[in-house]
Amino acid sequence: TQLLEQSPQFLSIQEGENLTVYCNSSSVFSSLQWYRQEPGEGPVLLVTVVTGGEVKKLKRLTFQFGDARKDSSLHITAAQPGDTGLYLCAGDRGNDYKLSFGAGTTVTVRA
Amino acid sequence: NAGVTQTPKFRVLKTGQSMTLLCAQDMNHEYMYWYRQDPGMGLRLIHYSVGEGTTAKGEVPDGYNVSRLKKQNFLLGLESAAPSQTSVYFCASSWTSGDEQYFGPGTRLTVT
Repeated sequence: TQLLEQSPQFLSIQEGENLTVYCNSSSVFSSLQWYRQEPGEGPVLLVTVVTGGEVKKLKRLTFQFGDARKDSSLHITAAQPGDTGLYLCAGDRGNDYKLSFGAGTTVTVRA
Repeated sequence: NAGVTQTPKFRVLKTGQSMTLLCAQDMNHEYMYWYRQDPGMGLRLIHYSVGEGTTAKGEVPDGYNVSRLKKQNFLLGLESAAPSQTSVYFCASSWTSGDEQYFGPGTRLTVT
């Protein structure tokens, strides 16, 4: 079992629709990161959230860190085909030297 | 500034063969990581290093060995490849454990 559970595993929507991806855990994290990975490439960082209840916006992407720092969500408004990719959340528990990654959500935005 | 590079990009091995994957970073990062990525399982940490000359086991270390003789290089070795090691392997580096990780482009390995 993975420390971070992402849902849904797959999401296919029409251009212009909104979507939300969830990242949940029973563990507390000192920070949580979201990455996007395109086919044939390595993941690239989108954002890091560090404070419980924090909301960060990156153009049409909104990231939220839960108050208890155990969960996070990524909301995309008016999705575009360029948003297609694998979205990964990764948490730092602050007590070891590594991140724990979720299994990822594959998002497909149809034109 | 190349970031993180990996060689080779693709490789096909027969069961029992050995090989070494090379990762190089030019950002002077202390931390380096090797992951494998399989469908539906996300990124699983194989081994990592918190500095030159140090290595540690991750979640799935069996069948792999690593070395970090120079700060900029992190090598992943498979001594006797098995079909279960067919995967895409990613190397990453970062300043510290909680910082952004910079990933290489990946190595697609097939073991027949």
